[in-house]
Amino acid sequence: EPEVTQTPSHQVTQMGQEVILRCVPISNHLYFYWYRQILGQKVEFLVSFYNNEISEKSEIFDDQFSVERPDGSNFTLKIRSTKLEDSAMYFCASSKGQGAINQPQHFGDGTRLSIL
Amino acid sequence: AQTVTQSQPEMSVQEAETVTLSCTYDTSESDYYLFWYKQPPSRQMILVIRQEAYKQQNATENRFSVNFQKAAKSFSLKISDSQLGDAAMYFCAYQDSWGKLQFGAGTQVVVTP
Repeated sequence: EPEVTQTPSHQVTQMGQEVILRCVPISNHLYFYWYRQILGQKVEFLVSFYNNEISEKSEIFDDQFSVERPDGSNFTLKIRSTKLEDSAMYFCASSKGQGAINQPQHFGDGTRLSIL
Repeated sequence: AQTVTQSQPEMSVQEAETVTLSCTYDTSESDYYLFWYKQPPSRQMILVIRQEAYKQQNATENRFSVNFQKAAKSFSLKISDSQLGDAAMYFCAYQDSWGKLQFGAGTQVVVTP
């Protein structure tokens, strides 16, 4: 069964550095998402992406964050200047459809980001 | 704004027994989807079951079933014949027409032999 793949599985970065988290969604999926989960807390929505633009973003997704689909397969999340509170598990998800048309979102295994 | 509430931080169940996890949500939408995701210690997010709000029939998936009460905005998960592999954090999630998922705080399921 096709799956969403995320790399790296664990990223350690110095505070203030830029970090790029990579995701390869399922090939025939059109909608892409990033979520994060701070340790011991619930999963929080960051951003959704469709047709090469952001569909929706949460208040967490400030100017330090950006997303990109640089080619036909990758979907990246960039954090420009990392802060200690960015330490979390970041999940990428993709789906064929959206909302009421709905197809379930398939999640990658996550990237654990540790900011030192 | 929609909210998802899971009031049980932890539930314990013996192997082969049944456990029910509760979830309530708040929305003004009429068209939406509800999900239960399982997160084992590896922290993967695994889809367990989903329910379309327009369907009255409760979804079932092998040993997992839901009790969806739309008027009460309640969506509980029943795990029957619990197995050691069911031990995990379970998240209830609401999906709106824009597609984003909103998760509850989670319920840790502990399965004892």
